Amino acid sequence: ETGVTQSPTHLIKTRGQQVTLRCSSQSGHNTVSWYQQALGQGPQFIFQYYREEENGRGNFPPRFSGLQFPNYSSELNVNALELDDSALYLCASSLWGGRTDTQYFGPGTRLTVL
Amino acid sequence: QKEVEQNSGPLSVPEGAIASLNCTYSDRVSQSFFWYRQYSGKSPELIMSIYSNGDKEDGRFTAQLNKASQYVSLLIRDSQPSDSATYLCAAISLRGGNKLTFGTGTQLKVEL
Repeated sequence: ETGVTQSPTHLIKTRGQQVTLRCSSQSGHNTVSWYQQALGQGPQFIFQYYREEENGRGNFPPRFSGLQFPNYSSELNVNALELDDSALYLCASSLWGGRTDTQYFGPGTRLTVL
Repeated sequence: QKEVEQNSGPLSVPEGAIASLNCTYSDRVSQSFFWYRQYSGKSPELIMSIYSNGDKEDGRFTAQLNKASQYVSLLIRDSQPSDSATYLCAAISLRGGNKLTFGTGTQLKVEL
C-alpha cells in the first residue's frame, strides 16, 4: 500500500458528460501527478500539481483540468467526455524537493464512457 | 521514435529462471529511471529506481543502467509465478519537469 487513495474506483458516464476524479496524496508528499492509461498502453502524463499550481502538462486538451487543495489532495475534471476518454486514471504522489523524485501510484479510477 | 521503448512480449520464462527485461530511451538528459510492476487491472507498483550507471540490487531484483548506450534493464532472479505481470519502464528527463515517461510495458509470464 502506497497511502495514495483515489475515488471512485469505477465510473460509467455517457459521451458529453463531465466527470470529477479525486486523489489523496501520501502523507508527507506535496506533489500530485495524473496519468491516463489506455488498455495495453503505458500511462500517459496529463498534468502535475505542486503548491496548488499546475506544474507541467502533457499533450491533453483543455477539457482536462485539475485542482490541488491546501492539504495536497487533488481533483481531475474532464468535460465533454468522449469515447476515447475511457481508460484507467492514475494519480501519483511525490515529494518535490525531496531526496528522490519517486512517484507512488494510487489504485486508479476506471472510467468507461458509453 | 518513442521516448521510452520496451518489447511488449510476452516474455515467457520457466519458474526459477532469470527474467531479463530491457528498455531504451531517446532523451539523453533523462536522469531518473524506474521499474514498475503492474498486475492486470491494478495500478503500477514501484519495484526499483536507479539514477547512476551500473547495477543496483534489491532482493531478487537487479536494475542496470547504461547512460552511454541509453538503456535500462531489470533482472529478476529465481522467477516465481507471482512475478507474472507487465513491467513498465519509466524515465524522468531534466527537460521534462517531474513527469514520468513510460514505455508500453513488457508482459512477463513465469511458467510452472
